[in-house]
Amino acid sequence: DTAVSQTPKYLVTQMGNDKSIKCEQNLGHDTMYWYKQDSKKFLKIMFSYNNKELIINETVPNRFSPKSPDKAHLNLHINSLELGDSAVYFCASSQDHGSTWEKLFFGSGTQLSVL
Amino acid sequence: KNEVEQSPQNLTAQEGEFITINCSYSVGISALHWLQQHPGGGIVSLFMLSSGKKKHGRLIATINIQEKHSSLHITASHPRDSAVYICAVAGNQFYFGTGTSLTVIP
Repeated sequence: DTAVSQTPKYLVTQMGNDKSIKCEQNLGHDTMYWYKQDSKKFLKIMFSYNNKELIINETVPNRFSPKSPDKAHLNLHINSLELGDSAVYFCASSQDHGSTWEKLFFGSGTQLSVL
Repeated sequence: KNEVEQSPQNLTAQEGEFITINCSYSVGISALHWLQQHPGGGIVSLFMLSSGKKKHGRLIATINIQEKHSSLHITASHPRDSAVYICAVAGNQFYFGTGTSLTVIP
């Protein structure tokens, strides 16, 4: 069984569209994350949720909205897609205890191409 | 300037060589992660450490909190070790290094 699964693996869409990427983890972790990896392979954290509550919200545009219906799911919705949104988006989870950051488990990534 | 700096950016080694990748950071942290990104894009967390040294197979990770420095060593390198290795530090948020692209030649 895949520990952290995200769908779709590839997403090709036109500018201006709205799209969602889904993420689910079956590890029982309390914390889930979204990361963006740009064309230079640089990883940057976008959001972090702990038990369905937002704890990190980096300076990403308001067009990006994370939604966590329960602690096993953290979906990423993107409105009005722009060319610069093209990247690989990774979901991850960890079992955090207070301020101690535990080992991260990553999904396989979603390659988003905005045309 | 990045909060996390890695060196070297690119590394080519012959199979069997001992490899060292360095990571320096400038922020206060509670833990440091070493990640491995495979050529297909998937990311695996190799180590999470907050002090001392950890070993897993041919991989060894060390951290010196006072010097704000960590190293990832690979002993007896193998072509399957070819990947991008990323250092990430965790304080009140995550900061990532830009990665070290390793190619091990048979």
